[in-house]
This record gives sequence, structure tokens and C-alpha cells, in this order.
Amino acid sequence: SQTIHQWPATLVQPVGSPLSLECTVEGTSNPNLYWYRQAAGRGLQLLFYSVGIGQISSEVPQNLSASRPQDRQFILSSKKLLLSDSGFYLCAWRGRGVSNTGELFFGEGSRLTVL
Amino acid sequence: QQQVKQSPQSLIVQKGGISIINCAYENTAFDYFPWYQQFPGKGPALLIAIRPDVSEKKEGRFTISFNKSAKQFSLHIMDSQPGDSATYFCAASVIYNQGGKLIFGQGTELSVKP
Repeated sequence: SQTIHQWPATLVQPVGSPLSLECTVEGTSNPNLYWYRQAAGRGLQLLFYSVGIGQISSEVPQNLSASRPQDRQFILSSKKLLLSDSGFYLCAWRGRGVSNTGELFFGEGSRLTVL
Repeated sequence: QQQVKQSPQSLIVQKGGISIINCAYENTAFDYFPWYQQFPGKGPALLIAIRPDVSEKKEGRFTISFNKSAKQFSLHIMDSQPGDSATYFCAASVIYNQGGKLIFGQGTELSVKP
């Protein structure tokens, strides 16, 4: 069966510090991968998605970047965090080809607080 | 045109009652309309989904009604239970384009009172 892992689960960082959130998927190959952010009491905002290694599409111009160094690894980064980067970050994957039902499968999330 | 608008923002229903959440979209290219359920501190999980070739889909106590001409769809939760208390998100995507990215509504916080 397929599983998705995100870490760290919780992170408290000072303004101006760097960020690295990691996401890995197991049990599937060549998935589409996504990063979403959920601010407190708000909906899910798509930040980045990737359809393959090294292929990143950015949805919202901001202080963040994403990379996909391996087929099932997706990394969200920032060089200098802002207060507005605080939120609940969710990684998700979706199958491709015959495995594509349209459904996105989400990880448990990483809660980032920038102080 | 990529937006999905969801209402209400919050909903309080008595146990056994019917919960109704509505969504509207603009992009006629959307061809997949799921509803996700999210509990506090957890990632969202798919509850039920519909394609535009049908007007209704029912799974247990959960029903999606879809109106293609009005570009609207809704979630009905019959016999609502306290365990249904969660945040519900509608979403839409073009399955085979733009990476199949899901565009989410703003969410509805449902509270079912015993």
C-alpha cells in the first residue's frame, strides 16, 4: 500500500532563518506531488506541484521554493522565513496513468510557527 | 476563474439533522469534484467525489448533488452525527491537465450537537 511521510511534524523558527520540509511517498512510482499551505482557519492554498523529477510548477509567487531531487521526494524550502510563512504545510501525491483517479492523498502535515 | 467558492463558513446542526454545504465554480474545464474531510491537526481525506457526467452520487449518509448548468455542487450529510464534526472542503480539478491540481474552497467548519 502507498504511504506518505512528512517531517518535521512541528517546527518553531525565528524570522530570517532557513526552512526545509521534506515529504516522501512509498509504494508508488512517478507520482504527481503537491505542496499546500493552510493558514489558521483558512482553506488550502496550492503552493507548488511537480509531475516529475526536477519539474516544479509554482502557483503563488512568494518566499518559498520547492525541489524534487528524486522520484518520490518533494522538498519545500526557504532561505529566510517571514512571519507570514507560518501555517500548516501539507504534502500530497496522486497516481498517474491507470493509477490516476483524480484523488489526492495527503500527509499528516507540518505545522510551522515563525516567531 | 480558478476559484471555488464555498458556503457557509460554519454550520451547527443537531444530531440526526441534515448538513448541507454548497460550492460554486467558474472554470467549465473542471471535470472532477471531490469533497474532503479534515479533523484538527490532520491532513484532509477524500470523503466522496463526482464527475460531471452524473447529477448525484450517494455513499452511505453522504450525497453529492451536481448542477452542471449552474456550475454548482453540494454535499448533503444525512442523519448527522457528532463524529461528523470536522472541516469540509470542496474542490475541483482538471484531471488530465495542469498536473491534476486541486483547487479548494475555503472550508466549512461543521459542528454536530448531541
